[in-house]
Amino acid sequence: DSGVTQTPKHLITATGQRVTLRCSPRSGDLSVYWYQQSLDQGLQFLIQYYNGEERAKGNILERFSAQQFPDLHSELNLSSLELGDSALYFCASSVDRDGDTQYFGPGTRLTVL
Amino acid sequence: AQSVTQPDIHITVSEGASLELRCNYSYGATPYLFWYVQSPGQGLQLLLKYFSGDTLVQGIKGFEAEFKRSQSSFNLRKPSVHWSDAAEYFCAVGAPHYKLSFGAGTTVTVRA
Repeated sequence: DSGVTQTPKHLITATGQRVTLRCSPRSGDLSVYWYQQSLDQGLQFLIQYYNGEERAKGNILERFSAQQFPDLHSELNLSSLELGDSALYFCASSVDRDGDTQYFGPGTRLTVL
Repeated sequence: AQSVTQPDIHITVSEGASLELRCNYSYGATPYLFWYVQSPGQGLQLLLKYFSGDTLVQGIKGFEAEFKRSQSSFNLRKPSVHWSDAAEYFCAVGAPHYKLSFGAGTTVTVRA
């Protein structure tokens, strides 16, 4: 158990819908990272937040957005969902902004029908 | 741009035998290199990392990796595998080190 929690574990929804994935970092960690793992694209870095501020962006679609709240939990919002958005979404956290060691949560499996 | 290649999609190894997983990277500057393991239904766990210094890095669960700049490689090894080592292994390069770029992964099957 890494100490990073993600909810829900599974999510099934339809194309065009919007969903929110939630992540609680390990106690004391200030950085949160989001990754997408899909069969065709593999594991991809989406975005990083550090202490409430966006710090780094990867291959995140414009339909996707994230935020980190004052209590340091983070949410990833996915809108106008397409079949290709079906994937496992991981959240990771690290104690500092440089992410030398990132602790991964168990993931949220999103299925878009 | 950085990239990571894991040439072996799937490796089968006997319990007690040695294991080596290959990783080649492409990155213009000094790389930050990582190996992660993902067990079925689990998140990723960091096995080891290399930033600088000694090119032979020891990690958890008896794994080690060797950084070879001349070959742009960071291969993972374990002298004697256990059935619990069956998992998927990912090599990653950090560029910068908090933005991880992963390889496609190598699935390891351990046979009795």
